[in-house]
Amino acid sequence: SAVISQKPSRDICQRGTSLTIQCQVDSQVTMMFWYRQQPGQSLTLIATANQGSEATYESGFVIDKFPISRPNLTFSTLTVSNMSPEDSSIYLCSVEDQQRVGYTFGSGTRLTVV
Amino acid sequence: AQTVTQSQPEMSVQEAETVTLSCTYDTSESNYYLFWYKQPPSRQMILVIRQEAYKQQNATENRFSVNFQKAAKSFSLKISDSQLGDTAMYFCAFMPGFGNEKLTFGTGTRLTIIP
Repeated sequence: SAVISQKPSRDICQRGTSLTIQCQVDSQVTMMFWYRQQPGQSLTLIATANQGSEATYESGFVIDKFPISRPNLTFSTLTVSNMSPEDSSIYLCSVEDQQRVGYTFGSGTRLTVV
Repeated sequence: AQTVTQSQPEMSVQEAETVTLSCTYDTSESNYYLFWYKQPPSRQMILVIRQEAYKQQNATENRFSVNFQKAAKSFSLKISDSQLGDTAMYFCAFMPGFGNEKLTFGTGTRLTIIP
């Protein structure tokens, strides 16, 4: 199955600043998915990133707040912009397993905004 | 839109016992996949088991098995001979179609294995 390297693993940020999270996959994938997991909650999809096109955002998430880049088939970044304490969450990227037996997730980024 | 419901926020069981986690879903899709994911305190999401809706046979993976009732839209996970390492959050997830679609997750069940 695909292996995803996600960075940083955690960060503490000041409100009003931005953080960029990176995901590197060890194989080429068509789509990458970005999820948010608020404290004690389930995972919610933020957006789907295709290489060569703009990301598709879910209801409640906007590009100005969560810009995404997808420069090639193995890499993507998610930026959390103008952060507030409500953005404190775990952010995870995900890709479909090459054998299509499921989805592989990055190890997650625990973000705390103070 | 699909919804996934896990009605058991928390469960605990003695080590070596069997436990069943419940999941129901709602969809108008005819082709879809269902998954159980495990999230230990390390927060890594780990795929436990997968079920294709077009397969009548219930999926099994070692100590993990599912009871898939398509008509009832039910997808429970049975863990046999539970081990301390099974302690984690367990999420049921739904994916429409045949691939490269988003996952819709349930709210999760926190499972504690008691030594």
